[in-house]
Amino acid sequence: DQQVKQNSPSLSVQEGRISILNCDYTNSMFDYFLWYKKYPAEGPTFLISISSIKDKNEDGRFTVFLNKSAKHLSLHIVPSQPGDSAVYFCAASGRGSGGSNYKLTFGKGTLLTVNP
Amino acid sequence: GAGVSQSPRYKVAKRGQDVALRCDPISGHVSLFWYQQALGQGPEFLTYFQNEAQLDKSGLPSDRFFAERPEGSVSTLKIQRTQQEDSAVYLCASSLSLEQYFGPGTRLTVT
Repeated sequence: DQQVKQNSPSLSVQEGRISILNCDYTNSMFDYFLWYKKYPAEGPTFLISISSIKDKNEDGRFTVFLNKSAKHLSLHIVPSQPGDSAVYFCAASGRGSGGSNYKLTFGKGTLLTVNP
Repeated sequence: GAGVSQSPRYKVAKRGQDVALRCDPISGHVSLFWYQQALGQGPEFLTYFQNEAQLDKSGLPSDRFFAERPEGSVSTLKIQRTQQEDSAVYLCASSLSLEQYFGPGTRLTVT
């Protein structure tokens, strides 16, 4: 059973508009969420994260929103640029017994295409 | 500074061969993770080290998979008697806090 779900395999937007990527999770033990961006033949690159004690985190053009009651998070990219075209993965982490660094559970990814 | 590096980048193995995949984490990163990514899927957790201690190996798919990090820096993932279902990209990540930083991966193809 998938604990992190990205229900849209792909998304296409025009340059300059907003891109909204969605992610749902089922495990209530998750308390830290991350977004990664991946280009072909490269490893995932960390973009932005959010702790469960917050509902919003912003970094430049990227904003992540967390709705704990709905177990839903979203990544907003404004304005979208052609260089943003990549696969975006949502990932979640729950604290391990040591209380720190622990494994990530990933969604299947959403392919974002930003058209010039 | 240097990121996470992995070698080889590509590996073709005949079914039944043993392979060894190497990961050089970011210097000073205590935590090291291995993930397996099948085509069209997200990465899936294999195993986790804190320094040289392997604290979680629950994601290793079978006893043919073995990982080590003897001196708490470089790690090796070994797969014995490779099978076709082992074909995937193997990603290594290291971290100091909650964000994990990934290497480029090793694409393993078993023929």
